[in-house]
Amino acid sequence: DAGITQSPRHKVTETGTPVTLRCHQTENHRYMYWYRQDPGHGLRLIHYSYGVKDTDKGEVSDGYSVSRSKTEDFLLTLESATSSQTSVYFCAISESAGGAGYTFGSGTRLTVV
Amino acid sequence: KNQVEQSPQSLIILEGKNCTLQCNYTVSPFSNLRWYKQDTGRGPVSLTIMTFSENTKSNGRYTATLDADTKQSSLHITASQLSDSASYICVVSFNNNDMRFGAGTRLTVKP
Repeated sequence: DAGITQSPRHKVTETGTPVTLRCHQTENHRYMYWYRQDPGHGLRLIHYSYGVKDTDKGEVSDGYSVSRSKTEDFLLTLESATSSQTSVYFCAISESAGGAGYTFGSGTRLTVV
Repeated sequence: KNQVEQSPQSLIILEGKNCTLQCNYTVSPFSNLRWYKQDTGRGPVSLTIMTFSENTKSNGRYTATLDADTKQSSLHITASQLSDSASYICVVSFNNNDMRFGAGTRLTVKP
């Protein structure tokens, strides 16, 4: 997807290990979001950022932390991965809050064994 | 509770046929409603966005309708193509920045 890159695309990790997912954008958008997508559920917001060093919790933030030290990068960290965090994680960017220009990355499939 | 329900969960149609997907929501106060298409292994891509005052929006063969009184939306796909096979997600925004995603309808178009 143009302007937004997630890495890695796939990862398998063991329970209890720390994991960091990266979202990189080249659009200079102010807002960045992390979602998880699970079967039978809509995308659920984990954390979002409204500027460098400005972040807030979403609907399902327990067990996750985020950091944004630069406009272009938004990191999602699982401090101690659990099997319930096996999911597909999507990053999204937008120019304004709830704006029409909401763009998603291609996702990271994380498996915790 | 702010919720978005989509139906059906899955749908199989033959190439060339039309179909309609449904979205009901209880989100309040309403800001806008969007439909996204998500291909397997990809992120969602926006198809349409409608505000409270709009009751229809088209994007090629995709036409979305909105009835804000009954809190219902539909996405109509005309003359389906194999490339329409995907999940279609309804997203409702409220309080300016909060969004709720439906679980999606999985559409399969067969030749």
